[in-house]
Amino acid sequence: DGGITQSPKYLFRKEGQNVTLSCEQNLNHDAMYWYRQDPGQGLRLIYYSQIVNDFQKGDIAEGYSVSREKKESFPLTVTSAQKNPTAFYLCASSTGAGVTGELFFGEGSRLTVL
Amino acid sequence: DAKTTQPPSMDCAEGRAANLPCNHSTISGNEYVYWYRQIHSQGPQYIIHGLKNNETNEMASLIITEDRKSSTLILPHATLRDTAVYYCIVRPTYNTDKLIFGTGTRLQVFP
Repeated sequence: DGGITQSPKYLFRKEGQNVTLSCEQNLNHDAMYWYRQDPGQGLRLIYYSQIVNDFQKGDIAEGYSVSREKKESFPLTVTSAQKNPTAFYLCASSTGAGVTGELFFGEGSRLTVL
Repeated sequence: DAKTTQPPSMDCAEGRAANLPCNHSTISGNEYVYWYRQIHSQGPQYIIHGLKNNETNEMASLIITEDRKSSTLILPHATLRDTAVYYCIVRPTYNTDKLIFGTGTRLQVFP
């Protein structure tokens, strides 16, 4: 079945370590997104990409990096520069600019910094 | 900043209709209204979207006011499994960037 797969589901990291969250989609979607969610809060946009080899910063990009080398993949790296990385991270995709496709979300990755 | 305003929480009795309001007074003519819901610790799920006309699908109905400044999501017969946070967002047709989610409405369906 088509969908978005995020891994790992749970991740623990020591302070000062970089960690990469995986997001893969087989929906043939052009656009992909990363959101962060803190307890009791809404979703905040970290990065988004509308096409391969191109991406833009969202509202809270500091301390994060992304790449979009393949249409299917949009990994997020949480760097040591992110001061408060413990959160629930959600990846999404959509059919892209010019159409009103819905967002499809993965099941999320919960990162805890020890 | 979110382009929508929603009440932080609502309650609804099981079997009754749940009516969730959303204010989007600054909506542009080319922006759609989308609704998603998020059950605890899961990814948000698409519910419905609309531009001007009222819409209905197997999950819900969307009523958009004539001036498009507000809308209401209706779950006609709420069940306990509808307990979730419901997000209303506006989205332009020409671009998909910076889709802004607010804090949503936490709907609690009780027996």
